[in-house]
Amino acid sequence: DAKTTQPPSMDCAEGRAANLPCNHSTISGNEYVYWYRQIHSQGPQYIIHGLKNNETNEMASLIITEDRKSSTLILPHATLRDTAVYYCLGGSNYKLTFGKGTLLTVNP
Amino acid sequence: DTAVSQTPKYLVTQMGNDKSIKCEQNLGHDTMYWYKQDSKKFLKIMFSYNNKELIINETVPNRFSPKSPDKAHLNLHINSLELGDSAVYFCASSQGGLYGYTFGSGTRLTVV
Repeated sequence: DAKTTQPPSMDCAEGRAANLPCNHSTISGNEYVYWYRQIHSQGPQYIIHGLKNNETNEMASLIITEDRKSSTLILPHATLRDTAVYYCLGGSNYKLTFGKGTLLTVNP
Repeated sequence: DTAVSQTPKYLVTQMGNDKSIKCEQNLGHDTMYWYKQDSKKFLKIMFSYNNKELIINETVPNRFSPKSPDKAHLNLHINSLELGDSAVYFCASSQGGLYGYTFGSGTRLTVV
């Protein structure tokens, strides 16, 4: 499984875009990049995943570099409820491996 | 509501006891998991089950025995509980092993 590196913490102003980076230089060619978040000890919540192309859903956008060694999760208009630990992870079948994640704090 | 539900939510027990945590999903998924989140907040996979068959066991002690009576249920039984077993245990499910997992709200186990 890919080893991922994320900053331990980030701040963002409410209403602004939050851009969360992730390095996954060891990701293999057929390994997806996933993003999850965990709000205050609740169960992790799936956000988005991608392989090569950029992806967008109702929660966020995922930008993956052409060499697939890094990605950025974008929350276009962060709200206070987006304060959480965000995990970027690679995974193989039946085994997602979580790292330490980034604590995103959205400030009023 | 469609969800992954775990019971109990909290469990406090003495060392040496045996306890079980139940998990049920009504999402129609074919794969279920147990994860452990320790005091340092690391989430580690323990088991993966696909269609009731064990496919991943991440070097979990034999005291932990998962049981999947059907695709919708994956229970976790723990024998001879130790202080180090104190953690939050999360159940999850997915369709296939690749895409979005849905997690339960967790069971906080405290061994005293």
